[in-house]
Amino acid sequence: QKEVEQNSGPLSVPEGAIASLNCTYSDRGSQSFFWYRQYSGKSPELIMSIYSNGDKEDGRFTAQLNKASQYVSLLIRDSQPSDSATYLCAVGTGGSYIPTFGRGTSLIVHP
Amino acid sequence: DGGITQSPKYLFRKEGQNVTLSCEQNLNHDAMYWYRQDPGQGLRLIYYSQIVNDFQKGDIAEGYSVSREKKESFPLTVTSAQKNPTAFYLCASMRVGANSNQPQHFGDGTRLSIL
Repeated sequence: QKEVEQNSGPLSVPEGAIASLNCTYSDRGSQSFFWYRQYSGKSPELIMSIYSNGDKEDGRFTAQLNKASQYVSLLIRDSQPSDSATYLCAVGTGGSYIPTFGRGTSLIVHP
Repeated sequence: DGGITQSPKYLFRKEGQNVTLSCEQNLNHDAMYWYRQDPGQGLRLIYYSQIVNDFQKGDIAEGYSVSREKKESFPLTVTSAQKNPTAFYLCASMRVGANSNQPQHFGDGTRLSIL
């Protein structure tokens, strides 16, 4: 059974701070890792994909992957109230077209 | 603009009624998926299809049916056998290439309620 674990939160950070969201996965054969943002009442929106160990930066977002430790994280720099949402981690395994989703971490950025 | 269109946005079902949720994509993606999301919960896979005229049950297929007659379309029918249909339904699609490491893209969702 492939599992993807996220702390449900809520994670509360002040505006301007760095928000750090973490995700661990059980399948060592996992090859692709995705972060989605889901605003309340809306559908998930892809914000980051990462495939190799290390960091990948896109604007205020940085995804970090450590396959040896089986975790992937998302850092949001200069957090804004508009970043308040649930962040879903999804993990894909080569040969399977069904990613495994975590249940999401709720982020609240307060002014 | 390419994307995934789900309709209707809101749907109400009467007791004993079947209802069909539409999902159309113009991304030329091979694989399509239906998820159910309950308040405060994660995504649960209902059905998925990797190619036309073929589909597979997901984790919670009971009370649901699908068809995949065209690459662009993957409608979901919520039958009267599904006793607790109230949820947010999400359709997704994914490009299938030499490797499967592609992200899914989601439609805007359909919110289904019981009358």
